[in-house]
Amino acid sequence: NAGVTQTPKFQVLKTGQSMTLQCAQDMNHNSMYWYRQDPGMGLRLIYYSASEGTTDKGEVPNGYNVSRLNKREFSLRLESAAPSQTSVYFCASRDRGRWDQPQHFGDGTRLSIL
Amino acid sequence: DAKTTQPPSMDCAEGRAANLPCNHSTISGNEYVYWYRQIHSQGPQYIIHGLKNNETNEMASLIITEDRKSSTLILPHATLRDTAVYYCIVRPPNAGGTSYGKLTFGQGTILTVHP
Repeated sequence: NAGVTQTPKFQVLKTGQSMTLQCAQDMNHNSMYWYRQDPGMGLRLIYYSASEGTTDKGEVPNGYNVSRLNKREFSLRLESAAPSQTSVYFCASRDRGRWDQPQHFGDGTRLSIL
Repeated sequence: DAKTTQPPSMDCAEGRAANLPCNHSTISGNEYVYWYRQIHSQGPQYIIHGLKNNETNEMASLIITEDRKSSTLILPHATLRDTAVYYCIVRPPNAGGTSYGKLTFGQGTILTVHP
C-alpha cells in the first residue's frame, strides 16, 4: 500500500521562483490536507479540501494556492517563494465515511528557499 | 479543541512496556483522543484513537480514564524503532468551518527506547 505519496522529497528554490508540490493518495479518501512543520513547532494547516471540488483556507494560507485535481490528487503551489516558506510540507488524507476517521500522512517535502 | 499536556520526554528499555501519559482535563463529551507519532524525518504516523472505551490494535493500547480527563498510550514491547515524538491530540470527530479536520499538534513526548 502506497498510502499518501508526496513529490518531490527535497527541493531547493531561489527567492521568487515558483513551484508545485504534488500529493496523491490511493485510499479513496474524500478529504485532503496540506500542513507545514517548522523546527520546534507543531504542524500548521495551510489548506484543506473536504471533498473533490472544494478547497478552503487553513491557519496559514498566505503565499500558497491549492488545486484538488481529482479525488486522488491535491497539489500545493508557491507562486513566488520566500525564505519564510522554508519548511517541511506534509500532505494528509482522511476518509469522511466514518466521522471519527484519522488522517494519514505522507513523508513530506523538505523545501529550502534561498 | 481541548488542550493536552504531555511530559516532554521519557525513556524506556527495549522489550519493556512504554506508558505515555496525556492530560486533557478540558475535553468535551464528543471529543476523541488521537495518538500519532513522528519518527525523525518522517511524516506523522497514526497509532490509535478512542472516545471513552479502552482501545487496542496491532500497534498499541489506549487507556482512557472514566472521567476522560486523561489517557495513557501503551506500547506493550517497545523496540528501538519506537523511538519517536508521540503526540496526543483531542478533537471533535468532524469539526466544521476553518478547523475542519484540522489536527493541532502540540510539543509531544520524545520517547527514547534504550537497548
